[in-house]
Amino acid sequence: DTGVSQDPRHKITKRGQNVTFRCDPISEHNRLYWYRQTLGQGPEFLTYFQNEAQLEKSRLLSDRFSAERPKGSFSTLEIQRTEQGDSAMYLCASSLMGARETQYFGPGTRLLVL
Amino acid sequence: QKEVEQNSGPLSVPEGAIASLNCTYSDRGSQSFFWYRQYSGKSPELIMSIYSNGDKEDGRFTAQLNKASQYVSLLIRDSQPSDSATYLCAVDTSGTYKYIFGTGTRLKVLA
Repeated sequence: DTGVSQDPRHKITKRGQNVTFRCDPISEHNRLYWYRQTLGQGPEFLTYFQNEAQLEKSRLLSDRFSAERPKGSFSTLEIQRTEQGDSAMYLCASSLMGARETQYFGPGTRLLVL
Repeated sequence: QKEVEQNSGPLSVPEGAIASLNCTYSDRGSQSFFWYRQYSGKSPELIMSIYSNGDKEDGRFTAQLNKASQYVSLLIRDSQPSDSATYLCAVDTSGTYKYIFGTGTRLKVLA
């Protein structure tokens, strides 16, 4: 299966700790997106990359959040000094740049901050 | 603030009936429209995409788009209990590639 993969699938951490999530997009996809989803809500855009360039960041992405895509392949999302309000499902999606491009989602990383 | 609105439901339909899910959006510049299905605890799965006014059919699913009314709908024919899930409407935002999602409509198909 060559879909989007994410690791870990679940993460429980204590408030104040740092966490890092990884996303591996579909191999030929050059755009990669991070979304956050809380219970009862739709996914909310956080940031996206085109190849290795981070082209847009949501105002939801506070200074404690940083994302990278160092070689235009996999991406990492780090949350520093986690807070209970960071508890959510973090979703990664990828797409192939072009007309009528479509985003495909990975399985997500569920974060619980105690 | 660009928005996508959906009725949160739950929408309950009997097995074999047609389920009709609706979505409105605020950004007149949006060009691409998507329906994703999300089972509880899982990630969104693409069901349909639509780009032009009118209907698009794929198996039991039909997406309908009316850009003048800023309205997108999804019809599910011969609904099955396995269709019970939350259906998310997603719309691209003019000038960017990010999607704006609605809160989703929870569908329950009763056996």
